[in-house]
Amino acid sequence: DTEVTQTPKHLVMGMTNKKSLKCEQHMGHRAMYWYKQKAKKPPELMFVYSYEKLSINESVPSRFSPECPNSSLLNLHLHALQPEDSALYLCASSQDWTSGRSNEQFFGPGTRLTVL
Amino acid sequence: AQKITQTQPGMFVQEKEAVTLDCTYDTSDPSYGLFWYKQPSSGEMIFLIYQGSYDQQNATEGRYSLNFQKARKSANLVISASQLGDSAMYFCAMREDNYGQNFVFGPGTRLSVLP
Repeated sequence: DTEVTQTPKHLVMGMTNKKSLKCEQHMGHRAMYWYKQKAKKPPELMFVYSYEKLSINESVPSRFSPECPNSSLLNLHLHALQPEDSALYLCASSQDWTSGRSNEQFFGPGTRLTVL
Repeated sequence: AQKITQTQPGMFVQEKEAVTLDCTYDTSDPSYGLFWYKQPSSGEMIFLIYQGSYDQQNATEGRYSLNFQKARKSANLVISASQLGDSAMYFCAMREDNYGQNFVFGPGTRLSVLP
């Protein structure tokens, strides 16, 4: 199984809602990532989890709260988002968070989030 | 400063021909990795090819090859025998192994393959 799955595919939420994005992989990878991608822009790294511990937080606002319950699952909890947070949210995983080919990241299909 | 530069916002190529997508990078880290990803309109990022800074040979993966010129800090992607399904956004990315361990994408190049 070389797949990263993400749910939901699409999400529309109001600014007062609380929602969660889910990501799952069964490749035995120990590093998982959240990216945000605006239209016609490259993905921007938000968070990196390595061995279920948060390794990198790229100064992301606290209305985004990541969680890694186990080595296969990664969640992104959303609360009090703004319309400018509307974007494609991509999850990825890699063997580990080290150098070399092992850092090759496998991406999920993404969740298209719209904040009204 | 931009870590990754892709100077071609859009490229066109005739089906069955080869095309080169440019990528230059900026780093002082002696150890780094360079990646190319393809993103079709569906949104999923697809890994294409990897080149390590200490690799002696240029990477190849099927129809994809990487023209790695370390002194010029360039890592151009060559796609041979283009197919209609190659139409997509292509991103060059870099991972610095020592300096912050960041993983940064370039702005991307949109490739359109013409029948």
